[in-house]
Amino acid sequence: DAKTTQPNSMESNEEEPVHLPCNHSTISGTDYIHWYRQLPSQGPEYVIHGLTSNVNNRMASLAIAEDRKSSTLILHRATLRDAAVYYCILPNAGGTSYGKLTFGQGTILTVHP
Amino acid sequence: DTGVSQNPRHKITKRGQNVTFRCDPISEHNRLYWYRQTLGQGPEFLTYFQNEAQLEKSRLLSDRFSAERPKGSFSTLEIQRTEQGDSAMYLCASSSVSGATDTQYFGPGTRLTVL
Repeated sequence: DAKTTQPNSMESNEEEPVHLPCNHSTISGTDYIHWYRQLPSQGPEYVIHGLTSNVNNRMASLAIAEDRKSSTLILHRATLRDAAVYYCILPNAGGTSYGKLTFGQGTILTVHP
Repeated sequence: DTGVSQNPRHKITKRGQNVTFRCDPISEHNRLYWYRQTLGQGPEFLTYFQNEAQLEKSRLLSDRFSAERPKGSFSTLEIQRTEQGDSAMYLCASSSVSGATDTQYFGPGTRLTVL
């Protein structure tokens, strides 16, 4: 898998937007960018994924840089339930963009009331 | 369908004993993955199946570990002669491969403690 780099931790206040960055300078043209999060004592949970265009879903938005070397996960209004470890992952196996996920350390998001 | 389920949720065993975990994926998901997570670390890939075929195994998966998915539905992960270093959360995920990428849905995990 292409390597990703994320800050170790970030903090936010409740009801405020949160921008979680991810660098992936070695991304290839067919790599999708996936975000998962893991709440305390739970299995990881899919958040969002994208290839080139910005993406929105009910949980978050994904902003992808024009050169695709970085991306940002945006939580529009953080809640206490969003406190989790967020992982930016580029699945890649044999030229496809699915398969095993390689989790790094992720970003620990703390949300203050 | 209520998602991926794993049983048991917790297992305490003595060193040297064998343990088996079960994973029931989301119906009709053709891929099933096993991961292991130790405290403070992200999950690490162990192995995955497409239908009943085991397509990849990590170097982490020693000879004491074996996984099966006999009918392409549920899967079992067995650890023989457990060691204290096997203590971890064992996570299962499933996905449906269609298109250029897939989304993995994780179960709650089985926490193994080896005494």
